Amino acid sequence: EAGVTQFPSHSVIEKGQTVTLRCDPISGHDNLYWYRRVMGKEIKFLLHFVKESKQDESGMPNNRFLAERTGGTYSTLKVQPAELEDSGVYFCASSWPGQGRTEAFFGQGTRLTVV
Amino acid sequence: AQSVSQHNHHVILSEAASLELGCNYSYGGTVNLFWYVQYPGQHLQLLLKYFSGDPLVKGIKGFEAEFIKSKFSFNLRKPSVQWSDTAEYFCAVTNFNKFYFGSGTKLNVKP
Repeated sequence: EAGVTQFPSHSVIEKGQTVTLRCDPISGHDNLYWYRRVMGKEIKFLLHFVKESKQDESGMPNNRFLAERTGGTYSTLKVQPAELEDSGVYFCASSWPGQGRTEAFFGQGTRLTVV
Repeated sequence: AQSVSQHNHHVILSEAASLELGCNYSYGGTVNLFWYVQYPGQHLQLLLKYFSGDPLVKGIKGFEAEFIKSKFSFNLRKPSVQWSDTAEYFCAVTNFNKFYFGSGTKLNVKP
């Protein structure tokens, strides 16, 4: 079974540019999450999809971040325009339907560096 | 909002030493508890999880964790670490479907 895959693994962009991160969850996983880890701090929740619907986007930092999940399959996270403080590792995770009693499977993350 | 505290940011041990990593969470209601590990260059992997029942949970690779409700703690233990346990360890709590993570503990095991 394929795991959660994220693309790209690394991205270096200049301040003001746009970057789009992609996540392919495990097939059949309705839940898809985006998380971010900045500078060795805690992994922070960004948002949660159930199928194609945004269940909770309370962790999105501001309106420069836009997440979509087309047809309830893969998801993209766009940052436009990128700022220096957006640098960090962006993790995607997916899980089976359920009220938290299932583990989340994580991708390897995308390391974003804004210069 | 919930929060998770991991007290040890960086731990250095010699092989065969015993390990205990602390984890405390702030939420007082029903929670589900997890420990994840990230080996160098790899993705986060589940070590163990607690939903209910026996508060002493056994996971993979000889790890175990004890849920102490009165202390809001879920400490991770291993009696004898190996060099291959060198990794970063994350405690996590979920309420419904949102995971709250601690800041991680880097474990460095010297051969």
